[in-house]
Amino acid sequence: DIQMTQSPSSLSASVGDRVTITCRASQPISTYLNWYQQKPGKAPKLLIYAASSLQSGVPSRFSGSGSGTDFTLTISSLQPEDFATYYCQESYSVLSITFGQGTRLEIK
Amino acid sequence: QLQLRESGPGLVKPSETLSLTCAVSGDSISGSRYSWSWIRQPPGKGLEWIGTFLYSGNTYYNPSLQSRVTISVDTSKNQLSLKLTSVTAADTAVYYCARRITVTREDWFDPWGPGTLVTVSS
Repeated sequence: DIQMTQSPSSLSASVGDRVTITCRASQPISTYLNWYQQKPGKAPKLLIYAASSLQSGVPSRFSGSGSGTDFTLTISSLQPEDFATYYCQESYSVLSITFGQGTRLEIK
Repeated sequence: QLQLRESGPGLVKPSETLSLTCAVSGDSISGSRYSWSWIRQPPGKGLEWIGTFLYSGNTYYNPSLQSRVTISVDTSKNQLSLKLTSVTAADTAVYYCARRITVTREDWFDPWGPGTLVTVSS
């Protein structure tokens, strides 16, 4: 099975900061990597698919990059509504799916 | 606009069967080229994929749950179903249904239902 490891597990930042979250796969997964945002009590929301494609309606301050085993989610200028938990998810395994453990982004 | 909504008992006794449904509106669950999945999240923890009903009619399950889980589709009601047998406290979680979109081998989950909390307790 493919293991997905996010870092950091938690992060404190201020409004206006540039933030980067990393996701590492245990084996190469090309660009089969998605990012989700989850706010407390809510379902996850798709932000980025195929490593770098921005989902329709998602603000352009969100961006994704990477291929192979190392991926990043970047928020260029944090807004108050961005404080949430972020998950990566691999889709390389057609018959199985694995999520990262999550990164909690908190207000400093 | 596609909407998903999970429903079912909020409390299940240990060793019994958890049964949930996901009502799909805004698209035909059988006529579309999409697949449909269940994902769960224990309180305060991360996301775990349970399984997927492919548009081809095949189903694929998380190996860790495969012996206990069944996912099916009722086309007459346009809904997805989940059955998980022999539940324990470890199955306590919010259960989500989600559409799984596949485009030239890339795939992702969008949208998700709001989720339903199932507690396993006597």
